[in-house]
Amino acid sequence: QLQLQESGPGLVKPSETLSLTCTVSGGSVSSRSYYWGWIRQPPGKGLEWIGSIYYSGTTHYNPSLKSRVTMSVDTSKNQFSLKLSSVTAADTAVYYCARHHSIGPDQYFDYWGQGTLVTVSS
Amino acid sequence: QSALTQPPSASGSPGQSVTISCTGTSSDVGGYNYVSWYQQHPGKAPKLMIYEVSRRPSGVPDRFSGSKSGNTAYLTVSRLQAEDEADYYCNSYAGSNNLMFGGGTKLTVL
Repeated sequence: QLQLQESGPGLVKPSETLSLTCTVSGGSVSSRSYYWGWIRQPPGKGLEWIGSIYYSGTTHYNPSLKSRVTMSVDTSKNQFSLKLSSVTAADTAVYYCARHHSIGPDQYFDYWGQGTLVTVSS
Repeated sequence: QSALTQPPSASGSPGQSVTISCTGTSSDVGGYNYVSWYQQHPGKAPKLMIYEVSRRPSGVPDRFSGSKSGNTAYLTVSRLQAEDEADYYCNSYAGSNNLMFGGGTKLTVL
């Protein structure tokens, strides 16, 4: 059974960079069949797609966050990561990683991590 | 970019059916058959319920169905059960490798 687990600091200071890692077990980030995505949810609000990455390093980012987002993949550790720069309180959210079907006629997320709350505060 | 439009709330009694709408534009919902729906219970991660407008993943009850007409997608939950009470989010491909979520609908089982 595929499992994803987010990890990283739960508290980040304003203007600094938020860094999270998603560790995949029961499957491989090197699979040519899937992308791997990040989605966030501010407290009490809806979901927002941040971006997705392929094992080769190809990335697709939400245009509204593109200038601040960097994603990477480490196939040796079976992990992928998110960096969001210049954070403000508006970036406070639960951050989810998920497997993203984005090859051919597919666009959906079928396996999700449990999510991790990141608070931006001094 | 604006989120897809969903009603904030919907409700129905056990055994009844309820339909949740998700309205976009011809550049997203209306332009592609890549609409998916997610169920989220409080404090939990979202769960995929419908993909490619109307396809159900293995394990999702057939009480859940999806459809689309023009720029609006629909999720119908038939034979409502107490455990269906949750937030529901639609998602659509919006071209140029971009994805958009709806604002979410809180479904209450009366």
